[in-house]
Amino acid sequence: KQEVTQIPAALSVPEGENLVLNCSFTDSAIYNLQWFRQDPGKGLTSLLLIQSSQREQTSGRLNASLDKSSGRSTLYIAASQPGDSATYLCAPAGSGGGADGLTFGKGTHLIIQP
Amino acid sequence: NAGVMQNPRHLVRRRGQEARLRCSPMKGHSHVYWYRQLPEEGLKFMVYLQKENIIDESGMPKERFSAEFPKEGPSILRIQQVVRGDSAAYFCASSPLAGEFGELFFGEGSRLTVL
Repeated sequence: KQEVTQIPAALSVPEGENLVLNCSFTDSAIYNLQWFRQDPGKGLTSLLLIQSSQREQTSGRLNASLDKSSGRSTLYIAASQPGDSATYLCAPAGSGGGADGLTFGKGTHLIIQP
Repeated sequence: NAGVMQNPRHLVRRRGQEARLRCSPMKGHSHVYWYRQLPEEGLKFMVYLQKENIIDESGMPKERFSAEFPKEGPSILRIQQVVRGDSAAYFCASSPLAGEFGELFFGEGSRLTVL
């Protein structure tokens, strides 16, 4: 059964800082890994999808890396802004998530102080 | 191209009533997933469906819960005889593909409150 751990659970930093959010998972037999953000009372917004054959993906100020063999992924946020405040969720897909579904961590609750 | 549409956004039921949650996937998506998010907990997989087929329901409680994705119309998650412990946010996601290239897109969720 896949288990996903995200560290830190919460993070509060002043705007402008570069951040690293960590995700580890126990079963490396995954198809891909997605990073999402969730705003309070809202749904999930997909940020990045890294396929199992890839090492990283970039979108704007976001960069996600994947080390499948060690069961780790990191999300790097450059030049953070108050609008980045949200909960960030890591979700590998494949084993244990229901066919091709996702297994979620509990997330990192991020606050960017203006 | 509209996103994943879920309704109702909020639903209040008394214990013993039925709850029906609907999900219309993005256009062209034939893979639908339902997840449940309990307060202060992560999202948990419930069921994975393709048109007219349940592919994996290993995350669904054995009793009172059922899901369908008919040939025409939205996917439905049905909860019979609701109890207070069913209060949660229920999220639907859809994907055009399975496997490595299958990016999931989520709806805004349906928040069920059982009185």
